[in-house]
Amino acid sequence: EIVLTQSPGTLSLSPGERATLSCRASQSVSSSYLAWYQQKPGQAPRLLIYGASSRATGIPDRFSGSGSGTDFTLTISRLEPEDFAVYYCQQYGSAGFTFGPGTKVDIK
Amino acid sequence: QVTLRESGPALVKPTQTLTLTCTFSGFSLSTSGMCVSWIRQPPGKALEWLALIDWDDDKYYSTSLKTRLTISKDTSKNQVVLTMTNMDPVDTATYYCARTQLGFPHFDYWGQGTLVTVSS
Repeated sequence: EIVLTQSPGTLSLSPGERATLSCRASQSVSSSYLAWYQQKPGQAPRLLIYGASSRATGIPDRFSGSGSGTDFTLTISRLEPEDFAVYYCQQYGSAGFTFGPGTKVDIK
Repeated sequence: QVTLRESGPALVKPTQTLTLTCTFSGFSLSTSGMCVSWIRQPPGKALEWLALIDWDDDKYYSTSLKTRLTISKDTSKNQVVLTMTNMDPVDTATYYCARTQLGFPHFDYWGQGTLVTVSS
C-alpha cells in the first residue's frame, strides 16, 4: 500500500501570502491518480485538484498543483480568508485509495 | 445536479453490525463508469477509504477492513449500502459516501457525512 506523507503538519500564514503544501508518496504514483482536497470544520472534503495539476470545476486559479513520481505540491498563490482549512492529498493505486494525514493552514 | 446523502444510526454498541445507506441523485449507477465509495474520518483525524462499488457491480475493499465490510447497490433506488460488522469504539467516525468515475480516481462529489458513535 502506498503511504502518503504531508508536510508541514501546520502552516501559519497571513492572508495574501503564498502557501506551499507538500505531499510525498512511499512509491511512485501516476500523476493521473493524485488529487487534493480542502476540508473546513464540519464540512465534507471538497475536490480542488485532480490528475496532479487539473483544477476541479469552480476552483479559483489561485490554487495550482504540480509534481510527479513521489513528490507533489499544492500551491495557493495568495491566501484568501476562506482558504484557511485542512488540505489532504489522495492517491489511487493497486491497493485502492489512500489519503495523506493533512496539512492545516491557519491564520498567523 | 449531483447530490449524495448518508443515513444510518448515530449510535451503535460494540460488536454490533453497522448498516449505512447512501442515497444519491444526478447520476445513475447503471451508467458505465460510475462508482460510489465509502470513506470515513474519526474525529480530528484523517480520511480513510473503505470500499467502492462500480456500475458493473464489482466491489473493492480496504485491505485492512476487508473482512468486516460489505458494499452493495440498489440501482432502482439510487442507493448504495455499506455494512460493517463487529463494531468497536475505534470505528467512531463520520462516514461519507462519494462518487468517482472510471479513469478519474478521485472523489468529485461527497455527501455531508453521518457521525457514527460506537459506545455501550
